[in-house]
Amino acid sequence: QSVLTQPPSASATPGQRVTISCSGSSSNIGRNTVNWYQQLPGTAPKLLIFSHNQRPSGVPDRFSGSQSGTSASLAISGLQSEDEADYFCASWDDSLNGVVFGGGTKLTVL
Amino acid sequence: QVQLVDSGGGLVKPGGSLRLSCAASGFTFSDYYMSWIRQAPGKGLECISYITSSGSFTNYADSVKGRFTISRDNARNSLFLQLNSLTVADTALYYCARLTAVGRAFDYWGQGALVTVSS
Repeated sequence: QSVLTQPPSASATPGQRVTISCSGSSSNIGRNTVNWYQQLPGTAPKLLIFSHNQRPSGVPDRFSGSQSGTSASLAISGLQSEDEADYFCASWDDSLNGVVFGGGTKLTVL
Repeated sequence: QVQLVDSGGGLVKPGGSLRLSCAASGFTFSDYYMSWIRQAPGKGLECISYITSSGSFTNYADSVKGRFTISRDNARNSLFLQLNSLTVADTALYYCARLTAVGRAFDYWGQGALVTVSS
């Protein structure tokens, strides 16, 4: 059972906008920023969004993050077939003194 | 460019031990916290341990506390994870990752080392 809660799956058609939610608590998302990772099939996870809504170099601005209270969300606009992947949210947890992850959301591009 | 290369995975019997290594290059290794994250087959991610830049402090998830030991050698730009008293539940792909101070994010990951625990 993951500390952060994500829907197990999401789907949309190319060109659409899709959002993935991530729910936590006051000890993690409520006090710390949420980071998002993309894991393409058979590869290591890759940092997608960090420190509220910052994107590492090379990540297109179609990806954006937002956070309010104890919840966060990842939005992907102009969906492309290559966005089909697993997406994980993560945050520091002050009670556990470590990083906690969501269970992951499998995004299918129809 | 930043590179992390994981090694040391393999097949081990329940109760056995294994030592994973992560070779770092392309950055000042001694400036960064480092972490081990694992992913069981078809499952999500679990941060099982991290170590401060100097190695003076370590932290473990409850699932591995007392069985796994993280360490580092800053002179050799290397991170290690000693896995003892392994169980079937420890079967997973183990990634080393660099932990940044900004947002406490894992900005670079190794390719993973597969640990399979089976009799």
